[in-house]
Amino acid sequence: ETGVTQSPTHLIKTRGQQVTLRCSSQSGHNTVSWYQQALGQGPQFIFQYYREEENGRGNFPPRFSGLQFPNYSSELNVNALELDDSALYLCASSLAQATNTGELFFGEGSRLTVL
Amino acid sequence: AQSVTQPDIHITVSEGASLELRCNYSYGATPYLFWYVQSPGQGLQLLLKYFSGDTLVQGIKGFEAEFKRSQSSFNLRKPSVHWSDAAEYFCAVAPYSSASKIIFGSGTRLSIRP
Repeated sequence: ETGVTQSPTHLIKTRGQQVTLRCSSQSGHNTVSWYQQALGQGPQFIFQYYREEENGRGNFPPRFSGLQFPNYSSELNVNALELDDSALYLCASSLAQATNTGELFFGEGSRLTVL
Repeated sequence: AQSVTQPDIHITVSEGASLELRCNYSYGATPYLFWYVQSPGQGLQLLLKYFSGDTLVQGIKGFEAEFKRSQSSFNLRKPSVHWSDAAEYFCAVAPYSSASKIIFGSGTRLSIRP
């Protein structure tokens, strides 16, 4: 186990709705990254948070947004859900960028189905 | 832009046989390189990583990988696979300046024949 926990594990939404996914990072880690993994694909980088600020973003529209809290836990919010948003959403925590070994510790993910 | 290519979508090998999973990357400088494994119902786990130095890196579970700059490759190997190695394997790359912003390949699914 990595110590990274995500909730919920599964959820179903309909097109146009909004969703919030949550992540608790491993103790001592202050950087959180979010990834989207569509079926049969590799994880795609959504964004990263460091010290409560966005620290890099992949090729995702603004309706994907996030938050990081003082305890380093994080949320991923997706507005106006589309069918293509159906995927496994992975959270990964890591050490601060300055001392980063590049090793990400992943949670088991939240599987979102959009109908 | 950096990218990772894993040319094999699915590979089947017999238990006890050797394994090589291919990975090619595209990046202007020497990036950080990784192999992750994803087993059913489990999160991604780091097998090994290359930052610099010795081009042959050892990882967990008996895996190793060799960085070949001239071929822009970072292939994963194991001399003798076990049934428990059946999983999805992802090669990944990250820029030197931001080792945690990792870009993944599309993965290779490994099946083990008894």
